[in-house]
Amino acid sequence: GAGVSQSPSNKVTEKGKDVELRCDPISGHTALYWYRQSLGQGLEFLIYFQGNSAPDKSGLPSDRFSAERTGGSVSTLTIQRTQQEDSAVYLCASSLIGTIVNEQFFGPGTRLTVL
Amino acid sequence: KQEVTQIPAALSVPEGENLVLNCSFTDSAIYNLQWFRQDPGKGLTSLLLIQSSQREQTSGRLNASLDKSSGRSTLYIAASQPGDSATYLCAVVNNNDMRFGAGTRLTVKP
Repeated sequence: GAGVSQSPSNKVTEKGKDVELRCDPISGHTALYWYRQSLGQGLEFLIYFQGNSAPDKSGLPSDRFSAERTGGSVSTLTIQRTQQEDSAVYLCASSLIGTIVNEQFFGPGTRLTVL
Repeated sequence: KQEVTQIPAALSVPEGENLVLNCSFTDSAIYNLQWFRQDPGKGLTSLLLIQSSQREQTSGRLNASLDKSSGRSTLYIAASQPGDSATYLCAVVNNNDMRFGAGTRLTVKP
């Protein structure tokens, strides 16, 4: 596709429910990144994938967060038993080559609201 | 742990003015630094990427400089336009970690 796409664009859920956020990277980009942008805070790096593997999962805020990537393309970020503090905009980015040092291109984000 | 600071937090200028946004970082052992703009309700748009071996990058009315030894980068916007109004973020990469500043919210008044 022309750019990184994310779905849904907005998600409202009740506390305790699970949510799945999807990211479609730019075709041919081997690296994929997830970030979180909370109100009043800066962008927070969560995890990145080199192909289908995630060399560094230390940015995930808790064990309720998990991410996977299949086929070297689409990635899903799953948040289990959502809490109100999970409310944020979740941004996905991709880059051509699989290291974090390369220029990243961002999707429009998914705005998650946990009631 | 890398810390990235952007000053000012907000800036309002009249159209046509030249302006400078500042970014400072605490760990100078960086791989690169990237400037982004973020429009309300949208994702980030990459503006300029400066590798650690470079001193500056230019794109149109934008010029970004990097001084690793002092831990500083500036984004210079020439002849500002109302369409430049957005939040500008700088991000620094070292090792496998990317750290963002809190951003500068720029408003260019017609």
